Amino acid sequence: AQSVAQPEDQVNVAEGNPLTVKCTYSVSGNPYLFWYVQYPNRGLQFLLKYITGDNLVKGSYGFEAEFNKSQTSFHLKKPSALVSDSALYFCAVSSPASGSARQLTFGSGTQLTVLP
Amino acid sequence: DAGVIQSPRHEVTEMGQEVTLRCKPISGHNSLFWYRQTMMRGLELLIYFNNNVPIDDSGMPEDRFSAKMPNASFSTLKIQPSEPRDSAVYFCASSLRQAPNTEAFFGQGTRLTVV
Repeated sequence: AQSVAQPEDQVNVAEGNPLTVKCTYSVSGNPYLFWYVQYPNRGLQFLLKYITGDNLVKGSYGFEAEFNKSQTSFHLKKPSALVSDSALYFCAVSSPASGSARQLTFGSGTQLTVLP
Repeated sequence: DAGVIQSPRHEVTEMGQEVTLRCKPISGHNSLFWYRQTMMRGLELLIYFNNNVPIDDSGMPEDRFSAKMPNASFSTLKIQPSEPRDSAVYFCASSLRQAPNTEAFFGQGTRLTVV
């Protein structure tokens, strides 16, 4: 079975500082990894994904994430946080081993608050 | 593109009543997903369709839940009879392909309250 852990329920960071939202995963075979963001009363919005290739993936709104196979991690990062980045962030994993099952497993979410 | 469209945005109903949630996926997307989000259980996949055919409904909690996709542009999730523990936000999402490396696009959700 595949799983995702987001060890921090809440992350606070000052505006202008770098931010990191942590994610670790467990999956059979090679992972496909995703980050989504959810603003209040909205659906999830896709930010970026890792499929294969370069371990550093760049996405929307200046976010990036680094895939680390040895640590089974896929942390979300941004060099300079904005107040408007405050939202709920979800990491998700699937795998080619999912086959037709199309299993996309989400983490529990991390609430990011950027303080002015 | 207008994105994934869900209706209604909010639904309040009494226990025992039938509830129908509706979804219009992004045009051209072949896969459609229904998720449920609660504080206790997070995001759960209920069912997904590929080319209008249900592929995996193992996440549907009980026989009270049913989902249909009569055509490529419309899907429904029905709860009959509804119970207070069904209160949650229900999301519909669609993706271009069934492949597990394909991202999904979510609607704004339907907040269901069963009293």
